Amino acid sequence: DQQVKQNSPSLSVQEGRISILNCDYTNSMFDYFLWYKKYPAEGPTFLISISSIKDKNEDGRFTVFLNKSAKHLSLHIVPSQPGDSAVYFCAASAVGDDKIIFGKGTRLHILP
Amino acid sequence: DAGVIQSPRHEVTEMGQEVTLRCKPISGHDYLFWYRQTMMRGLELLIYFNNNVPIDDSGMPEDRFSAKMPNASFSTLKIQPSEPRDSAVYFCASSWGFTGELFFGEGSRLTVL
Repeated sequence: DQQVKQNSPSLSVQEGRISILNCDYTNSMFDYFLWYKKYPAEGPTFLISISSIKDKNEDGRFTVFLNKSAKHLSLHIVPSQPGDSAVYFCAASAVGDDKIIFGKGTRLHILP
Repeated sequence: DAGVIQSPRHEVTEMGQEVTLRCKPISGHDYLFWYRQTMMRGLELLIYFNNNVPIDDSGMPEDRFSAKMPNASFSTLKIQPSEPRDSAVYFCASSWGFTGELFFGEGSRLTVL
């Protein structure tokens, strides 16, 4: 069973517009959430995270929103740039657990 | 600074052969994780170590898979015998403490014919 779900395999967004990537989770014990970015032929790299005590975390063009009641988080990229074209993985870890569970990823295409 | 180093980058082998993937974590990191990426299942955690000790191997698909970490600077993931369904990209990642920020290697792409 997928505990972290990214239901959109791909997303295309015009350069300069907002990209919104969504993620749902099922495990109510998850208390820490992360987004990773992956370019082809490279390993994933950490992008941004959020603790369950917050509902928003911002880092430059990237903002992650957490809705605990809906078990949903989203990553907003504003404005989208060509270099943002990559696969984005949502990930989570549970209280007292050292392992990070990843979703399947969403491929983001930024269109010129 | 050197990142996580994995070898080989690419491996093509025939069904039934033994495969050994290697990983050198970032110096000073005390956690090491092995993940496998496939189209169907995304990034799956196979096993992780803390201070060279295996903590959770519940993600290892079956007994054909084994992992070791003989010291803080080296880990191996072995598949014996290999099967075509093992074809995937295998990633090693390390971290200092558990912050959630993992540093991944570039991956080892395994193709089993």
